[in-house]
Amino acid sequence: NAGVTQTPKFQVLKTGQSMTLQCAQDMNHEYMSWYRQDPGMGLRLIHYSVGAGITDQGEVPNGYNVSRSTTEDFPLRLLSAAPSQTSVYFCASSYVGVGETQYFGPGTRLLVL
Amino acid sequence: QQQVKQSPQSLIVQKGGISIINCAYENTAFDYFPWYQQFPGKGPALLIAIRPDVSEKKEGRFTISFNKSAKQFSLHIMDSQPGDSATYFCAAGLSSGSARQLTFGSGTQLTVLP
Repeated sequence: NAGVTQTPKFQVLKTGQSMTLQCAQDMNHEYMSWYRQDPGMGLRLIHYSVGAGITDQGEVPNGYNVSRSTTEDFPLRLLSAAPSQTSVYFCASSYVGVGETQYFGPGTRLLVL
Repeated sequence: QQQVKQSPQSLIVQKGGISIINCAYENTAFDYFPWYQQFPGKGPALLIAIRPDVSEKKEGRFTISFNKSAKQFSLHIMDSQPGDSATYFCAAGLSSGSARQLTFGSGTQLTVLP
C-alpha cells in the first residue's frame, strides 16, 4: 500500500494563478480531508469529504474548491492564488467512524509570490 | 476561535527526562482526543489517543492524562530520547453526522538533547 500520496511536493505560483493539488489514497477510506499548516497555527481544516460526490467546508474554505468523483482521489483547487495561501498543505484519509485514525500524506509546500 | 489551546510552543528536555505537553479544550461535545507526532518534512502520524471515559492511557513511554472536569489533557513522554525530537499536536474530535473532524492545537516543538 502506498497510503496517502500527494503531488507536487513543492510549487511556486504567482498571484492570480490557479492550480490543483492532487491527493490519492489506496486504503478504500471513505473520509478524506485537506488541512493547511502554518507556523503557530497548527493544522486547520479546509474541506472534507465523507464519500464520492459528498464534500463540505471546514474552518478555512475560502479560496479553495474540492470535488470527490472517486473514493481514491480528492483534489484541492486554488482558483486564484494569493500570498496568504502560502502554506504547507496536507491531505488525510480515514474510515468513517468514532476513533478512526487519520492517515496523512507527506504534504505539498506552496509558495505564492 | 481557537477551540484547542496547546502549550508550551517549544520544549527542550535532556535525554532521559520527562516531556510534558498540555492542551485545553472548550467544547464539551468533543469525544476523541488524539496526539499526533510530526517529523520535519513529513506528515503528522497518530501517536496515541484517548476517549473521555478514561482518565489515563499508556503506550510504552507515552501517556495521556485526561481531566474531563477541567477540560484538559496532557502528553507525558517518559525517558525522553533524541529520536523523540519532533513537533507534537494535540487534537480534539467531534462526531458530526458520519464524519469525524479534528480540531488541532498549535503544536509543540520538542527537542531532546543528547
